[in-house]
Amino acid sequence: DAGVTQSPTHLIKTRGQHVTLRCSPISGHKSVSWYQQVLGQGPQFIFQYYEKEERGRGNFPDRFSARQFPNYSSELNVNALLLGDSALYLCASSLGSSQETQYFGPGTRLLVL
Amino acid sequence: GDSVTQMEGPVTLSEEAFLTINCTYTATGYPSLFWYVQYPGEGLQLLLKATKADDKGSNKGFEATYRKETTSFHLEKGSVQVSDSAVYFCALYSSASKIIFGSGTRLSIRP
Repeated sequence: DAGVTQSPTHLIKTRGQHVTLRCSPISGHKSVSWYQQVLGQGPQFIFQYYEKEERGRGNFPDRFSARQFPNYSSELNVNALLLGDSALYLCASSLGSSQETQYFGPGTRLLVL
Repeated sequence: GDSVTQMEGPVTLSEEAFLTINCTYTATGYPSLFWYVQYPGEGLQLLLKATKADDKGSNKGFEATYRKETTSFHLEKGSVQVSDSAVYFCALYSSASKIIFGSGTRLSIRP
C-alpha cells in the first residue's frame, strides 16, 4: 500500500505570493494533520482535519488555511508568503481524529525568496 | 502547555559505541511518548512509542522507557551503526490531538 504522498516535492515562491500544498493520506485513514518544520527545528502543528472538518489549529496566522476533501485528501494554503514561511511542510495521516500514531509523508520543501 | 526538551546536538559517536539521547517532557496527565527518526532527505518515521508509565518501546535495537517519576523518555542503543546517522525527535501526543516535538538531535556515526 502507498504511504502518505505529498506534492509538489519542492517549490520556490516570492514574497507576497500564494501557495497550495497537497496531501493524500494512507488508504483508509480519515484524518490529516499538517506540520511546519523550519530548518534545524522540530515540526510545529498547524492543522488537523477529520471528516472534512477542522479539529485542531496551531498557533499560526490566518494566512494559513486548509481543507479536506470527500476522498480525505487535503490542501494547505498559505497567502501573502513571507520569507519566514520557508520550511518543510509535512502532512501526516491517521485512522481517526484521536489516533495517536500518525504516519508522515516526505514533505514539501518551500523556499520563499 | 505541553512541551518536550531533548538533548542538544550534534552527537558524534564511533561505530559500535553506546548511544543515549536524553528527553524530558512537561504535560498534563500521562501522554503517549514517541521517538521519530528523520534520515537524510527523507520524511519522519516512527521509531518507537510507549503509551503508559513503565512501558518500554523498542525497535531496530533502540529502546526507551516511559518514566513518569522523572518525566523522561531517553533513547538508548547498545551498539550504533553508520546507518543510524539521522536526526532523532522525541515527541508526545497531547490532549489536543496533536503531536508536540522536541527540537531534534542530529546523530553522526563514524566508521
